[in-house]
Amino acid sequence: DAGVIQSPRHEVTEMGQEVTLRCKPISGHNSLFWYRQTMMRGLELLIYFNNNVPIDDSGMPEDRFSAKMPNASFSTLKIQPSEPRDSAVYFCASSLRGLTDTQYFGPGTRLTVL
Amino acid sequence: AQSVTQLDSQVPVFEEAPVELRCNYSSSVSVYLFWYVQYPNQGLQLLLKYLSGSTLVKGINGFEAEFNKSQTSFHLRKPSVHISDTAEYFCAVRGNFGNEKLTFGTGTRLTIIP
Repeated sequence: DAGVIQSPRHEVTEMGQEVTLRCKPISGHNSLFWYRQTMMRGLELLIYFNNNVPIDDSGMPEDRFSAKMPNASFSTLKIQPSEPRDSAVYFCASSLRGLTDTQYFGPGTRLTVL
Repeated sequence: AQSVTQLDSQVPVFEEAPVELRCNYSSSVSVYLFWYVQYPNQGLQLLLKYLSGSTLVKGINGFEAEFNKSQTSFHLRKPSVHISDTAEYFCAVRGNFGNEKLTFGTGTRLTIIP
């Protein structure tokens, strides 16, 4: 099993640019989660999907952030426009069935916004 | 809502010595408890979890944790650490019903001294 796959692993961009982070969950998993990790705030849940449908996006910080899951094997997290305070490590995780099951994390995308 | 406190941000331990990483939680309902490990430049990996039953939970890599309801604690222990245990350790909690989200602690960085 390849595990959760995220791309890119590192992203450096300039303030104002659009950034798209990608995630492929573990095959057969029905739930997908996006987290952000910073030194100041630790690990925060941004949004999660069940069966490709967004269930709770209350953690999304601003309208500049959006997430989609067009099919069971792919999700994107987009930031437009990006700001320096968005610099963080973004993790994608998946689980078999929602919040009750163990979440398996991807390696993360380290985003730096200059 | 639940919360998690990891009082020790950094714990240095000599190789082959025992270690305990502390975790206390706050909740008005019954909970599930988790310990995750994050190796450098990697995503989080589940070490162990408490859902119900025996309060002593054994996980991977020789780690174990004990759920203490009266003290609202879930401390992680290992009798003899190795250099490879150097990592960041996160305690997490969620209510054991409905669509409760995982809430993570701020993490404890374990450094093994040769």
